[in-house]
Amino acid sequence: EVQLVESGGDLVQPGRSLRLSCTTSGFTFGDHRMSWVRQVPGKGLEWIAYIRTKDYGVTTEHAASVKGRFTISRDDSKSIAYLQMNSLKTEDTAMYYCVRDCSGATCNYYFDYWGQGTLVTVSS
Amino acid sequence: EIVLTQSPATLSLSPGERATLSCRASQSVSSYLAWYQQKPGQAPMLLIYDASNRATGIPARFSGSGSGTDFTLTISSLEPEDFAVYYCHQRSIWPRTFGQGTKVEIK
Repeated sequence: EVQLVESGGDLVQPGRSLRLSCTTSGFTFGDHRMSWVRQVPGKGLEWIAYIRTKDYGVTTEHAASVKGRFTISRDDSKSIAYLQMNSLKTEDTAMYYCVRDCSGATCNYYFDYWGQGTLVTVSS
Repeated sequence: EIVLTQSPATLSLSPGERATLSCRASQSVSSYLAWYQQKPGQAPMLLIYDASNRATGIPARFSGSGSGTDFTLTISSLEPEDFAVYYCHQRSIWPRTFGQGTKVEIK
């Protein structure tokens, strides 16, 4: 069974840092691209970060709203994806979801599995 | 950035009725569009990918159509479990973007 479990969400003050982790199981982590998507409670979805596999140079993409502050990374030996969040702002308050890209053959690189999310609250 | 505009914002229907949801892109995304369903307190779930392909395990009452800038998600006969929020999503051009959502509520 595919599982993605986020952790690391917390209440933090503006300007501080936080690292989110996404611990996965039930699939070959190194074969899949991963993303982070966030959602302000009661609002819509916002994609924020994406990381490719080793075959594609572990290259990354970040949304403009977080570029230069957030960094996605992965540890294939531990099957974990990370989101390092620096210089946090009040507008970063949201539920953060770890999301798997399906393979090209399965559903053509869309988001097929989502974790249950971890809540980040940025407030003084 | 490609803006996806969904309409209507809210759709009030009864079980058994047909639901038609629209998603319009600010520029062509070819067929690189997906639809997700989100229920309260849950993560989104992939329904449709590449505009018209049902994801694994998705019932046949869900169908998608369109290409370029105009897309439609149709639920042929609403079941009680289908009342939820639906989002469209494009992966054609970075950054990946989502529509603002359509809430399908019980009339």
